[in-house]
This record gives sequence, C-alpha cells and structure tokens, in this order.
Amino acid sequence: EDQVTQSPEALRLQEGESSSLNCSYTVSGLRGLFWYRQDPGKGPEFLFTLYSAGEEKEKERLKATLTKKESFLHITAPKPEDSATYLCAVQAYSGGYQKVTFGTGTKLQVIP
Amino acid sequence: DADVTQTPRNRITKTGKRIMLECSQTKGHDRMYWYRQDPGLGLRLIYYSFDVKDINKGEISDGYSVSRQAQAKFSLSLESAIPNQTALYFCATSPRANSPLHFGNGTRLTVT
Repeated sequence: EDQVTQSPEALRLQEGESSSLNCSYTVSGLRGLFWYRQDPGKGPEFLFTLYSAGEEKEKERLKATLTKKESFLHITAPKPEDSATYLCAVQAYSGGYQKVTFGTGTKLQVIP
Repeated sequence: DADVTQTPRNRITKTGKRIMLECSQTKGHDRMYWYRQDPGLGLRLIYYSFDVKDINKGEISDGYSVSRQAQAKFSLSLESAIPNQTALYFCATSPRANSPLHFGNGTRLTVT
C-alpha cells in the first residue's frame, strides 16, 4: 500500500530562520511527487512537481528536492506570509489508474 | 474569479438528509475529482471522472454518489448523511495524468 509520511507535523520558525520539511514515501512505480500549499479556509495550491530522483525545483524562498525515498521542501529566510500547511502527494500507477496519495501535511508558522 | 468553484461553502444538515455539493470549472480540464479532508487523515479520494461518460469510485466511495452533468460540472451527493461524513470536501481538476491537481476552496459540511 502506498504511504506518505510528512514531518514534522508542525513547525514554528522565526522570520529569517531557514528550515526543511520532510516527505517520506513508499510507493511502487512513482509517477510524480507534488508539493502543495494550503491556507486556512482554502483549497491546496500547487507548488512543485518532481518526477525523478535528483530533481530540484525552486520558487522564491522554496526549494524542493527528491530522492528515491523522500522529498524535502527547503524554506530559506522565511517570511510570515509563508505560514501555511504544506502538503506532499505521490502519484503512482495502482489498480488500473494513477492514484494520488496525500500526506497529512506540515503546519508552518513563521513569527515576525 | 475562481477557476474551480464549489457551492455551498458551508452546509449544516441533519442525519438522514440527502444533500448535494456542486463543483464547476472554467479550466477546460477533462478530469475531475472529489476529495474529503479530515484532521490527521489527509485528503482521500471519493470519486473521479476522466470525462462525462467515465466515472469511477475512489478509496472511500461508500455512502456517496456523483453525477458528471457536463465537462465543467461534477456533483457529489450524500444519499443519507451521517455524522462521520462531517468533513471538508474538495473538488479538483487536472488536464491529464501526471499533472498537478487544481482545487476549489472547499465545502465545509457538518452533519448533526
């Protein structure tokens, strides 16, 4: 069974204090790993897709990396507006369709 | 204007009532999905549809049904609501396999 585990569940950072969020996965036949940002009262918003080990993507203060077992979302010099829940999801071929399995997220709070 | 619109945003209903949640999209995507989000469980797939004539059950379809009225409209029904269906429900779209999901802003459903 496909599994996605995110850690930590919650993270509190001072503004400017860099850190990383982890997404560990167990899946047969990874087709893609996705990072989303979710603000309170809103739907998840797509950030990155990674398809193969060694791949990296960057957007402003965020950088996502992928290995064969996990992905990291690195946040450099975060600002209060980066506060949100970050979700990881993996897509794999299962039972005749491409199934997406989500982690439970890391809730990030950045304090001014 | 939102690309994926869900109505209503909030709904309180009683046990045993039939209710419908609606989703419409202007993105022109063929693939549409219904997910529910519960604290500590992440997003779980209820139903998905790859075109108007193709509807499939997801991992937690019991107690739910769907209707794909047009490429742009996908409705979720609870035939006889029960309290453990209290959750946040999201509609999502995607243009093809291996592509990210585009979410609406959700419907918060409470069953008393």
